[in-house]
Amino acid sequence: NAGVMQNPRHLVRRRGQEARLRCSPMKGHSHVYWYRQLPEEGLKFMVYLQKENIIDESGMPKERFSAEFPKEGPSILRIQQVVRGDSAAYFCASSPLGGGPSTGELFFGEGSRLTVL
Amino acid sequence: SQQGEEDPQALSIQEGENATMNCSYKTSINNLQWYRQNSGRGLVHLILIRSNEREKHSGRLRVTLDTSKKSSSLLITASRAADTASYFCASTNTGGFKTIFGAGTRLFVKA
Repeated sequence: NAGVMQNPRHLVRRRGQEARLRCSPMKGHSHVYWYRQLPEEGLKFMVYLQKENIIDESGMPKERFSAEFPKEGPSILRIQQVVRGDSAAYFCASSPLGGGPSTGELFFGEGSRLTVL
Repeated sequence: SQQGEEDPQALSIQEGENATMNCSYKTSINNLQWYRQNSGRGLVHLILIRSNEREKHSGRLRVTLDTSKKSSSLLITASRAADTASYFCASTNTGGFKTIFGAGTRLFVKA
């Protein structure tokens, strides 16, 4: 049973370009979370999605950032017109159907490290 | 941080010693979890304690939860060099959807 798969692991973009980060949750998991981590800091919540629905996007900037989790395929975190301050590690986590945040454990991917030049 | 604070921010101990990390949070919670992160890697779940529990053990880990003080502690006994990592507490607030992480404690265990 494969774990949470994130790609790309490393992404370099120039200012103004778009970054697309992908996350395939563990098999059977329908809850996906995206977090952002700056060096030597904790994880900052961005967005929580279920299949085809955004449940909580309170941690995501209103502009340039969007997330989706379609019925088929991976969850996508999209950053348009990237700026240097977007450089960070972006982690995806999933939890099983029916479990959700109230019952706990999140399964994390290895992260996508975005560098904006 | 979004939810609470951890202390110490960094901890350096000798192999064989115990390591204690503390976490405080701000809102009522369903549960509190501890995760470990090795440098450059994703987080790995260690242990979960529910709001109606006061103490929980898993191998060399012991977690306590004091809901009246909104705090938790993680004790790693008989530490090993391989325990060197960052440790994060995380909580899900009552009725909420988000699991919120603290800033973490960076543990360094010297062989």
